Amino acid sequence: EPEVTQTPSHQVTQMGQEVILRCVPISNHLYFYWYRQILGQKVEFLVSFYNNEISEKSEIFDDQFSVERPDGSNFTLKIRSTKLEDSAMYFCASSVMGNTEAFFGQGTRLTVV
Amino acid sequence: GQQLNQSPQSMFIQEGEDVSMNCTSSSIFNTWLWYKQDPGEGPVLLIALYKAGELTSNGRLTAQFGITRKDSFLNISASIPSDVGIYFCAGQLGGAGGTSYGKLTFGQGTILTVHP
Repeated sequence: EPEVTQTPSHQVTQMGQEVILRCVPISNHLYFYWYRQILGQKVEFLVSFYNNEISEKSEIFDDQFSVERPDGSNFTLKIRSTKLEDSAMYFCASSVMGNTEAFFGQGTRLTVV
Repeated sequence: GQQLNQSPQSMFIQEGEDVSMNCTSSSIFNTWLWYKQDPGEGPVLLIALYKAGELTSNGRLTAQFGITRKDSFLNISASIPSDVGIYFCAGQLGGAGGTSYGKLTFGQGTILTVHP
């Protein structure tokens, strides 16, 4: 069964460093998303991406964040200068269309020290 | 922004019991989704609801999309130990070409514990 895959599963980084989280969405899906979940809290929307551009972003997705689809399969989230409060699980998701169900990856646990 | 209120926050039940949880919103959603999350894992889709009033089943799970489009419930019948986890509702506006197309707003989650 097709699935969204994310790498790495766990990333530890020093405050101020850049990190890139990687995702391979389901192959026939056109809409891609990043969500964040701080430990013990609900899942929060960061950004949606369609047709090689951002469709929508939340207040959390400030200038430190960027997304890219560098090739036909990968979808990346970059955090330029990590802060302690960026520590969270980051989930990638994809859907066929914007109004169909989204499927989530296993997540990347980001720990900023 | 839109908020979803999910209740109860947690449930402790005996194996074999039925479970019910619900989500309410102050504003309308066009799609309601229910996900289950195990510790350290990503949310796994359980049921998707697309029409107001729709009642959908998936095995022992049943979910309904409220007529007002502002609420949804999830029922689990005859619970088993592997039902343990966190259940999230999520709403999506999904208006074609409009605002928030694709964006999911999640509830706070219901933590389910099943005692054998």
